[in-house]
Amino acid sequence: EPEVTQTPSHQVTQMGQEVILRCVPISNHLYFYWYRQILGQKVEFLVSFYNNEISEKSEIFDDQFSVERPDGSNFTLKIRSTKLEDSAMYFCASSEGVVTRFEQPQHFGDGTRLSIL
Amino acid sequence: ILNVEQSPQSLHVQEGDSTNFTCSFPSSNFYALHWYRWETAKSPEALFVMTLNGDEKKKGRISATLNTKEGYSYLYIKGSQPEDSATYLCASSYGGATNKLIFGTGTLLAVQP
Repeated sequence: EPEVTQTPSHQVTQMGQEVILRCVPISNHLYFYWYRQILGQKVEFLVSFYNNEISEKSEIFDDQFSVERPDGSNFTLKIRSTKLEDSAMYFCASSEGVVTRFEQPQHFGDGTRLSIL
Repeated sequence: ILNVEQSPQSLHVQEGDSTNFTCSFPSSNFYALHWYRWETAKSPEALFVMTLNGDEKKKGRISATLNTKEGYSYLYIKGSQPEDSATYLCASSYGGATNKLIFGTGTLLAVQP
């Protein structure tokens, strides 16, 4: 069964450094998402991406964050200058369909655990 | 701010017990309710997506119901097995440009053999 893959599984980075988290969504899916879960808190939405542009972003997704789909298969999340509070599990998800997108499940990857020191 | 609540936070049952969890969500402008099963160190696995009031879905021993008027959904597991041990997440969506999900805190189920 097709699945969403994320790399790396764990990333340790010094505060202030840039980090890029990578995702390969399911190949025929059209909507792509990033979520994160800070330890002990709820999973929270960061950004959604459709047709090569951001379709919606949360208040968390400030100028330090960016997403792109550089080659038609990878979907990346970049944090330019990491802060301690960026430490979290980051999940990529994808879903198929446009008209029926609200009835489609989002398929999640295993996540990348980001630790900022 | 949209808030999704789940109860209980955790549940310990014996193998063979049936159990149920609750998800409460804001009903205004509601589009869909998602249930996920999440095992440690794995990706959340989609169980159900429900959109209509009165919807009922079933997958093996697991079933779910939806009440959009009062804003709640129940997840039932019949005859729990140790392999059902996981965190069960619900998430609701409210339309807009995309289908962003608003998650609850999850219910951690532990099934003792």
